[in-house]
Amino acid sequence: IAGITQAPTSQILAAGRRMTLRCTQDMRHNAMYWYRQDLGLGLRLIHYSNTAGTTGKGEVPDGYSVSRANTDDFPLTLASAVPSQTSVYFCASSVGVHTEAFFGQGTRLTVV
Amino acid sequence: AQSVTQPDIHITVSEGASLELRCNYSYGATPYLFWYVQSPGQGLQLLLKYFSGDTLVQGIKGFEAEFKRSQSSFNLRKPSVHWSDAAEYFCAVGVSTGGFKTIFGAGTRLFVKA
Repeated sequence: IAGITQAPTSQILAAGRRMTLRCTQDMRHNAMYWYRQDLGLGLRLIHYSNTAGTTGKGEVPDGYSVSRANTDDFPLTLASAVPSQTSVYFCASSVGVHTEAFFGQGTRLTVV
Repeated sequence: AQSVTQPDIHITVSEGASLELRCNYSYGATPYLFWYVQSPGQGLQLLLKYFSGDTLVQGIKGFEAEFKRSQSSFNLRKPSVHWSDAAEYFCAVGVSTGGFKTIFGAGTRLFVKA
């Protein structure tokens, strides 16, 4: 079934550890996004990529990095996790600019 | 800066009653507007979108939204709510400043009472 796959589904991580959240799409969408969802704050954009080989910073990029080596994959890395990064992370993709986004099922990350 | 405001954190309506969820945006150019719905433990699903043309747009599950440029609003409506509509609803705007990205509001949680 075509769509977006995120891994892991959930993770408990010790503070200071490095973690990569994986995101793969098989729809050949050009644009991909990472959001974090926190109660009362909705979804906030962390990083985005409008096409393979390019990335951009969103609203809350500090502490996170991304890469877009190819069209399908868009991993999100926390270099040194902190408790404030406890959240639900959603990866999304869209065909191109100005089109709706398709979302993965989310990764629930707890940093302790 | 671009932003989306959903004034109501939560709303409770009776099953069969009408619904209106408010959304206001701040963006200097022509907006691309979306409404998404999120059921508990799930990702987001697109309900409807506005790019241009008719300012009243129809979406899935009987929802509609009206774009009002003068009020910078894009309110979501449904004439008769069903219990299965209980979920969280997000308004979003697509912006093209420094690359295209979608900015979301904080969401409105809808409760439906029997």
